[in-house]
Amino acid sequence: LAKTTQPISMDSYEGQEVNITCSHNNIATNDYITWYQQFPSQGPRFIIQGYKTKVTNEVASLFIPADRKSSTLSLPRVSLSDTAVYYCLVGDESGSARQLTFGSGTQLTVLP
Amino acid sequence: NAGVTQTPKFQVLKTGQSMTLQCAQDMNHEYMSWYRQDPGMGLRLIHYSVGAGITDQGEVPNGYNVSRSTTEDFPLRLLSAAPSQTSVYFCASSYWGGNDNYGYTFGSGTRLTVV
Repeated sequence: LAKTTQPISMDSYEGQEVNITCSHNNIATNDYITWYQQFPSQGPRFIIQGYKTKVTNEVASLFIPADRKSSTLSLPRVSLSDTAVYYCLVGDESGSARQLTFGSGTQLTVLP
Repeated sequence: NAGVTQTPKFQVLKTGQSMTLQCAQDMNHEYMSWYRQDPGMGLRLIHYSVGAGITDQGEVPNGYNVSRSTTEDFPLRLLSAAPSQTSVYFCASSYWGGNDNYGYTFGSGTRLTVV
C-alpha cells in the first residue's frame, strides 16, 4: 500500500483558496488518489477522487501531475465550516484487498 | 435513505467484558469495513469484507472478530475488552469492483471506553 505524506496542519483565512499537497512517491499503476474530510466526532466524508491530470467537482479540485507522485487538493474560497482534518489516501479499489490506509491527515483551520 | 448506521453511539465496558458493535447499511454495498481512530490519529483498518460470507483482516485485527452473514450487516465483536481498545470505531461501506468516484460512506462512529 502506498504511503502518503501531508502537512500536519495549515491555517487560512475565510475567502482564500487553500491548497493541500500530498506526497505518494511509491504510488502503483492501478492506484487512485482519494481525499476525505473529517469533522470532530464524525466519520470521514468523501470529497474527491482522481487518477491523473485534474478533477473538479462542486466542492474541490484535485490536481495530479504526470508522474503521479504527488497530488494537490484545492478548496476555493474557504469558510469557517471548512475547518476539518483532510486525509489523502492512495489505493487500488479494484484490487482484491481494497484496503485504504489513512495517515494522520492535515488539520485545516480557517480563521475569520 | 439512512446510509451507514452504527449502534451504540457510546459504550463503557469493564476490562474482560465482551460486546458487539453493530453496523448496517442500506445502499446494497458489497464492501464493508471497520476502522478504529485513537485521539489525534488517523484511522486504522481492523477487518473488512468484500461480500456476504467473506471477511479478512486489516492492519490491527487482534482482539476483534467479524462475520458477514448478510450484505447489510457487519458486526464487530470485542472478545475480551482491554483498555487499549478504548477508541472511536467507524464502520464504512462502498461498492465493489472498481473506482466509482463515490468512495466510502462512513457511519457516525461508536465511542468505546474500557475501564
